[in-house]
Amino acid sequence: EAEVAQSPRYKITEKSQAVAFWCDPISGHATLYWYRQILGQGPELLVQFQDESVVDDSQLPKDRFSAERLKGVDSTLKIQPAELGDSAMYLCASSSRTGVAFFGQGTRLTVV
Amino acid sequence: AQTVTQSQPEMSVQEAETVTLSCTYDTSESNYYLFWYKQPPSRQMILVIRQEAYKQQNATENRFSVNFQKAAKSFSLKISDSQLGDTAMYFCAFMMWLVFGAGTILRVKS
Repeated sequence: EAEVAQSPRYKITEKSQAVAFWCDPISGHATLYWYRQILGQGPELLVQFQDESVVDDSQLPKDRFSAERLKGVDSTLKIQPAELGDSAMYLCASSSRTGVAFFGQGTRLTVV
Repeated sequence: AQTVTQSQPEMSVQEAETVTLSCTYDTSESNYYLFWYKQPPSRQMILVIRQEAYKQQNATENRFSVNFQKAAKSFSLKISDSQLGDTAMYFCAFMMWLVFGAGTILRVKS
């Protein structure tokens, strides 16, 4: 069964360091989402791609966060410099035209 | 802007009983999708059920069904014959951009 792949699963980094997360969506899914989820809360959309184009990045803290999906397939989310408040689960999801989003297992980031 | 509100932070239900989780949303759009997602502890988010706004018939998926009231902008999830494996955080989500509510923790007790 096709899955959304994310790596790494866990990441511990010191504040002010750079960190990057990778997501490989389900093949053929044009829409890719990056979410941030703080423990016990709902996911917050950071950025949405349609193919290689950004559809919505209004909630992305652009002074430190960046996201790209250069060939419209896999995507990278980067944080530089990381801050203590960035500790969270970072979820990637992809969807086809049916609208159903499938999620990866997430990357749990701890900033120390 | 679209918003999704889940007013029940936590609920409990006895095994084999029925429970309803509430969700309201706000949008000016007429065509959209609504979803319930389930996130078990420390596990992956998975889709429970989906409803297209243009369909009047409520979606059902085995023990899971929804009560979709478009005029009231309400989208509740009913879980029948609750099982221990249903224990999870449940999120209501609205699709234009996929916007999530804050979630409801459901604990099924034996």
